This record gives sequence, C-alpha cells and structure tokens, in this order.
Amino acid sequence: KQEVTQIPAALSVPEGENLVLNCSFTDSAIYNLQWFRQDPGKGLTSLLLIQSSQREQTSGRLNASLDKSSGRSTLYIAASQPGDSATYLCAVSSKFGNEKLTFGTGTRLTIIP
Amino acid sequence: SAVISQKPSRDICQRGTSLTIQCQVDSQVTMMFWYRQQPGQSLTLIATANQGSEATYESGFVIDKFPISRPNLTFSTLTVSNMSPEDSSIYLCSVEFGGVGETQYFGPGTRLLVL
Repeated sequence: KQEVTQIPAALSVPEGENLVLNCSFTDSAIYNLQWFRQDPGKGLTSLLLIQSSQREQTSGRLNASLDKSSGRSTLYIAASQPGDSATYLCAVSSKFGNEKLTFGTGTRLTIIP
Repeated sequence: SAVISQKPSRDICQRGTSLTIQCQVDSQVTMMFWYRQQPGQSLTLIATANQGSEATYESGFVIDKFPISRPNLTFSTLTVSNMSPEDSSIYLCSVEFGGVGETQYFGPGTRLLVL
C-alpha cells in the first residue's frame, strides 16, 4: 500500500527566503506526482505535475524534482512571498492506474512579512 | 483546464440525517473522484465515479454509506447517509482532465459539520 509522507509538517520562514518542501513515497511504481496548494476554506490548486519519466518541472518561482528510485520529491520555492502561505500537498498516482491519487500529510507553510 | 463547482459549500446537519453533495464540471470528463478530508488530515479517496457504471469504492468506504450518482459526463452527487459526528469533514470532488495521468482539478469542497 502506497504511503506518502511530507516533512516538515509546518514551516515558517521570513519573506524573501528560498525554501524546500519534502515528499517521500514508499512504492516507487508511480505514474506521476503532483504538488498542490490548499488555502484555508478552499479546494486544491494544482501547482506542478511530474510524470514518472521526468526529473523536474518548473513554473515561475516553483521547481519540483522527482527521484523515483529513492521515492522522493522536493518542491523548491524561490524568493518566498506572504501569498505563498498555504498548505502544500504532494500526491502520487499509481502505475497502471485507476488514476487515483494518494496524498501526503501536507506541509503548512507560513511566510513571515 | 476544468472549472468545478460544488453545492452546498457548507452545511450543519443533525446526526442520523443524510446530505447530498453536488459536483458540476464545465467540461465533459470520463472519471470523477470523491475525496474526504477529515479535520487536520490529508485527503482520502472515497470512490471513483464513471458515467454509466457503478462507482468503485476504496477500502473502508461502502455504497450504503456513501451512495454516488453519475448521470452524465458533467455531473455527480455524493450522499453521506445516516450521518454521525465522525462524518464531519470536507468533501471534495475532482476530475482528471486531458487524459490519463494528467492534472487533476478539484472543486472548492463542501464543509460538513454533523452535530
């Protein structure tokens, strides 16, 4: 059974700093990995999707990497802003999938102005 | 991309009653998913709903408790039956848009509180 863990559970950093969020998964036979952000009282917004054959994806100040063999992904946020404050979730889709996502436990990020 | 709406956005219900949550998508999609997010926890998949067939439930979830309808390619409902306080959660629907393995889009969620 796939298990997804995110460390740390919560993180506070001053505005302007670069930061890294971590995600690990136990079964490397994944189809893809997605990073989402969740704002209080709102649904999820997809940030980046990495296919299993890819090693990284970039969107603006965000860069996500994937090391499938070691079961790890990182989300790098450059030059953090208060608007980046949210809970960040990673999720993996199983291979031969039914496309269902297994979610991590989330990292609650607070950017201090 | 896909735009997803859910109704109601929130509700407070008495134990023993049932609530039906609606999910509407602005595009035709094959697969729709229903997730639950209990307080302080991450998302757990309840079931996958394909149009024209019965929903597929994940371990720990049963049709009698969470009946699902999928009458067409843009709409689905999830009913939370015979509710108890343990059912207090955010319920989210999602769709996969663009093909297998593509980005999943989520609705804004329905916040349910059962007293």
